Amino acid sequence: DGGITQSPKYLFRKEGQNVTLSCEQNLNHDAMYWYRQDPGQGLRLIYYSQIVNDFQKGDIAEGYSVSREKKESFPLTVTSAQKNPTAFYLCASSTALQSNEQFFGPGTRLTVL
Amino acid sequence: DAKTTQPPSMDCAEGRAANLPCNHSTISGNEYVYWYRQIHSQGPQYIIHGLKNNETNEMASLIITEDRKSSTLILPHATLRDTAVYYCIVRVYGGATNKLIFGTGTLLAVQP
Repeated sequence: DGGITQSPKYLFRKEGQNVTLSCEQNLNHDAMYWYRQDPGQGLRLIYYSQIVNDFQKGDIAEGYSVSREKKESFPLTVTSAQKNPTAFYLCASSTALQSNEQFFGPGTRLTVL
Repeated sequence: DAKTTQPPSMDCAEGRAANLPCNHSTISGNEYVYWYRQIHSQGPQYIIHGLKNNETNEMASLIITEDRKSSTLILPHATLRDTAVYYCIVRVYGGATNKLIFGTGTLLAVQP
């Protein structure tokens, strides 16, 4: 089945530690995105990538980093510089940046203790 | 900031039509209206989009007013599985950005 995989579904880390969230897609999509969702809120864009080896900051990029070394993979690192990292993180992809539909993964719920 | 306004919650009886309103009074001429929904603790799911004409697909219908300042998503026969948060989104596109601006959405509760 084609789709987007995010693992793990739940992740716990101690304060001050960097943590990397994985996102893999087998849809052959060029564009990929990372969003953050806080309780009762909508999604906010962290980073996006139009194509391999290229990525751009979204609205709330501070304290996060990404890489896009392979078309199917777009990992997100939550660094110790992120003041409030506890949140629900969603990865998405689309055929191209201009595509009408973004396909979302199941999300990773990160809790920093 | 989100450019849409939606009621925070709505109820609908199972089998009846669910009509979800959205206000986007500052929409620009080349901006599309998108609808996504999110079932609890899952990723959002695309439903439908439109520019100025009414649209229909297998999931829903989208009615956009002539002045494009508001729209309504219609689920013709709501089921319990349609209980979710529904997001009305205006798509901002310019240059290298494909930004979906998510607001807080409408929690639709379908009642048996």
